[in-house]
Amino acid sequence: QKEVEQNSGPLSVPEGAIASLNCTYSDRGSQSFFWYRQYSGKSPELIMSIYSNGDKEDGRFTAQLNKASQYVSLLIRDSQPSDSATYLCAVPYSSASKIIFGSGTRLSIRP
Amino acid sequence: NAGVTQTPKFQVLKTGQSMTLQCAQDMNHNSMYWYRQDPGMGLRLIYYSASEGTTDKGEVPNGYNVSRLNKREFSLRLESAAPSQTSVYFCASRIAGGHNEQFFGPGTRLTVL
Repeated sequence: QKEVEQNSGPLSVPEGAIASLNCTYSDRGSQSFFWYRQYSGKSPELIMSIYSNGDKEDGRFTAQLNKASQYVSLLIRDSQPSDSATYLCAVPYSSASKIIFGSGTRLSIRP
Repeated sequence: NAGVTQTPKFQVLKTGQSMTLQCAQDMNHNSMYWYRQDPGMGLRLIYYSASEGTTDKGEVPNGYNVSRLNKREFSLRLESAAPSQTSVYFCASRIAGGHNEQFFGPGTRLTVL
């Protein structure tokens, strides 16, 4: 079992709809979870982080965490063409210094 | 602040050649990381340094060595490059601690012929 798993996509969503991205992780001791966005040919950039069970909202983005199910998700409301990118889930392991990424989900917003 | 810088941006090597990828950060971060990213894939951790003076293996360390030269600099060395090491290499840094984000450099695109 991979330490961090994501559906690779591509996920195609119409403009204005909600995009839902999912991530599961294997280490029950993990405490922090990060979502990065990566445009083609660019470096990853942080868009959301979450530490507590439940929802965390920031503008059009909502991160959801369920530690019991070892599941974290990212919702993007009112999807825009500029949201087309690869979304990477990242989880610190062990001493919290070892940070493992999922394989990423490629999101495409169609006009 | 320059953030995280990487050199070179592009490199072409022949099989068996060696090279060192350089990474430096000016944010006074404790932890530094090297990842590789292959087409259509996420980031795979090669090595990391939780703090100055320590280094640890990540998911895919074979064929690589690292040096944490000081708090600012973390280099990645390929002793004998292989075509399987063709990839984009990203360096990242962060303040030590579970809730702190990583900041990434611009990447080095390496091709091994």
